[in-house]
Amino acid sequence: EAGVTQFPSHSVIEKGQTVTLRCDPISGHDNLYWYRRVMGKEIKFLLHFVKESKQDESGMPNNRFLAERTGGTYSTLKVQPAELEDSGVYFCASSQELGISGEQYFGPGTRLTVT
Amino acid sequence: GENVEQHPSTLSVQEGDSAVIKCTYSDSASNYFPWYKQELGKGPQLIIDIRSNVGEKKDQRIAVTLNKTAKHFSLHITETQPEDSAVYFCAAVDANFGNEKLTFGTGTRLTIIP
Repeated sequence: EAGVTQFPSHSVIEKGQTVTLRCDPISGHDNLYWYRRVMGKEIKFLLHFVKESKQDESGMPNNRFLAERTGGTYSTLKVQPAELEDSGVYFCASSQELGISGEQYFGPGTRLTVT
Repeated sequence: GENVEQHPSTLSVQEGDSAVIKCTYSDSASNYFPWYKQELGKGPQLIIDIRSNVGEKKDQRIAVTLNKTAKHFSLHITETQPEDSAVYFCAAVDANFGNEKLTFGTGTRLTIIP
């Protein structure tokens, strides 16, 4: 079974540009999460999709970030326009079940560098 | 909201010795505490977890303990091996009522010295 995949693995962009990150969850997983780790700090929750609906987007930093999950399969996270503080590693995770039994499986992450 | 603190930030131990990583959490409603291991170039991988109705759980060389009164939980790795070198993250979640987000600690970089 394929795991969670993310594309690209690395992205270097200039301040003010736009970047779109993609996540393909494990097939059949309704729950999809985005997290971010800024250099040396904790991994922070951004948002949670259940199928195509946003269940919780309380972690989204501001309106420069837009997440979508059309059709309830893969998800994209767009940053527009990018700022220096957006640099970090963006992780996607998916789970089949909600609640205490829903292990979240993480992808390898996308390392975003804004210069 | 939940706040998780993790110590130490770096830890070096001799191969064969034990390693202990400690975390504290703030929200008494948290009821699920997973530990993740992140190797270079990979995403975090769940290695062990504990629910709030259990005080200790063991899986071969790794064990986790939970003290709900003190809001502490710890990861213990015995007989460490070079492949245990990685960054370890603790997390806490209130898994009731559809609140699924993981709140992570800042991570511990564990280095096993051969």
